[in-house]
Amino acid sequence: EVQLVESGGGLVQPGGSLRLSCAASGFTFSSYGMNWVRQAPGKGLQWVSDISSSSSTIYYADSVKGRFTISRDNAKNSLYLQMNSLRAEDTAVYYCAREFTSTRALDIWGQGTMVSVSS
Amino acid sequence: SYELTQPPSVSVSPGQTASITCSGDKLGDKYAFWYQQKPGQSPVLVIYQDSKRPSGIPERFSGSNSGNTASLTISGTQAMDEADYYCQAWDSSTVVFGGGTKLTVL
Repeated sequence: EVQLVESGGGLVQPGGSLRLSCAASGFTFSSYGMNWVRQAPGKGLQWVSDISSSSSTIYYADSVKGRFTISRDNAKNSLYLQMNSLRAEDTAVYYCAREFTSTRALDIWGQGTMVSVSS
Repeated sequence: SYELTQPPSVSVSPGQTASITCSGDKLGDKYAFWYQQKPGQSPVLVIYQDSKRPSGIPERFSGSNSGNTASLTISGTQAMDEADYYCQAWDSSTVVFGGGTKLTVL
């Protein structure tokens, strides 16, 4: 079964750091680009970051540029999001999503992990 | 930055046709994607590359994209189709989502 499972969310104080992980299974992880998408409580989807299959190209939303770092370990079938200098507005459910190569559709999504930034 | 605009809500009676629009500058020159999200669940891809359906998505879901507007159409809408729907496009190498449309089936 094709699956993505996020972990690492939790409650953190403003200015703090958190590292999210996304474990992939059921497909050849190293062949696909991956994305992080977040959703604040009661709000819509917001794209966060994208990394190519080989990590050669990386892009960030302006709102997280300079604070968040996306990375992957193809040997471990894992995607990561290092989040530093966290703000209250970063509070959201964070989803990892697979980018199907030929169509660029975000075709597989994880169940999400909740990040709460509050003092 | 590129923006996609959706109506906040759309209502439809069971068995009727629901249409959700997504507007963006020259959106027809890009591919449009649509995702369905039910409460407490992760988004699910229902339309990709304007009008293609992933396996497992019912035939009542269809899409189109031309000019500045993409549309998601649900024919013979069922109660199970009540959900939030998001359009999405790629702007260069970044993902852009519309604000989402809450589809109510009543």
